[in-house]
Amino acid sequence: EPEVTQTPSHQVTQMGQEVILRCVPISNHLYFYWYRQILGQKVEFLVSFYNNEISEKSEIFDDQFSVERPDGSNFTLKIRSTKLEDSAMYFCASRRIQETQYFGPGTRLLVL
Amino acid sequence: GNSVTQMEGPVTLSEEAFLTINCTYTATGYPSLFWYVQYPGEGLQLLLKATKADDKGSNKGFEATYRKETTSFHLEKGSVQVSDSAVYFCALNPGAQKLVFGQGTRLTINP
Repeated sequence: EPEVTQTPSHQVTQMGQEVILRCVPISNHLYFYWYRQILGQKVEFLVSFYNNEISEKSEIFDDQFSVERPDGSNFTLKIRSTKLEDSAMYFCASRRIQETQYFGPGTRLLVL
Repeated sequence: GNSVTQMEGPVTLSEEAFLTINCTYTATGYPSLFWYVQYPGEGLQLLLKATKADDKGSNKGFEATYRKETTSFHLEKGSVQVSDSAVYFCALNPGAQKLVFGQGTRLTINP
C-alpha cells in the first residue's frame, strides 16, 4: 500500500540554523500538508499546498517557514532560522480530491 | 470557529475492558469526523471516519457514530487488547483544507 515517507526521522540542530524537512507524498495525491506536534500537545496545522502554491497557512507559519515542491515527488518544509520553540514532531500529509489525509511517520526536530 | 475537545487522559484499562473515549466538536457547516491513532514512536494512522450525520465509522473493532444533535463522535471498543495502547486523536475536517485535532487521549491497556 502506498505510504507517505519523511526524512530524516530525527534531526538535531543548533538555534539559528536552517533545516529542511523532506516528504514524499503518495504519488497520485494532489494536496499536501505540514503539521507539527510539540511534545505532549495537540497536532497543529501549519500549511497546505495545492497546484504549486500555498492554499492556507496558520499563524504559526510565519516568514521563517517556507514550503516547496521542487520536483514531481518531494515536498519540503524549510525553517530558515530555528528557535528553541520549533522543537517538535513535524508530520507531512497528502490526499487526493475529497479524500482522507494520509500522514507520514514524522520528523522529530530538536533545536538546541 | 472549529474545535475538537476530547476527554482528558491518560486512560488506563485492563485487557478485555470496554473502552469509551469522548469527543465533542464545534464546527460551522457539516464537517467530516475522524479518529487517528498514534502508536509509540510512530506517526498518525487513520483509524476510522464518518462523513455525515448518523454515519458509523468502524475499524479493528473500534466504532464511532457521528451524532449531529450532540455534536459528538465518541470512540468505543467492546474488548480492548494490550496492543491498543496508543494515543488517540479525534479530528474534524470542516470542508476547508486542514484537519483540526483534539488534544489526544493516551490509552494504556494492562494485561
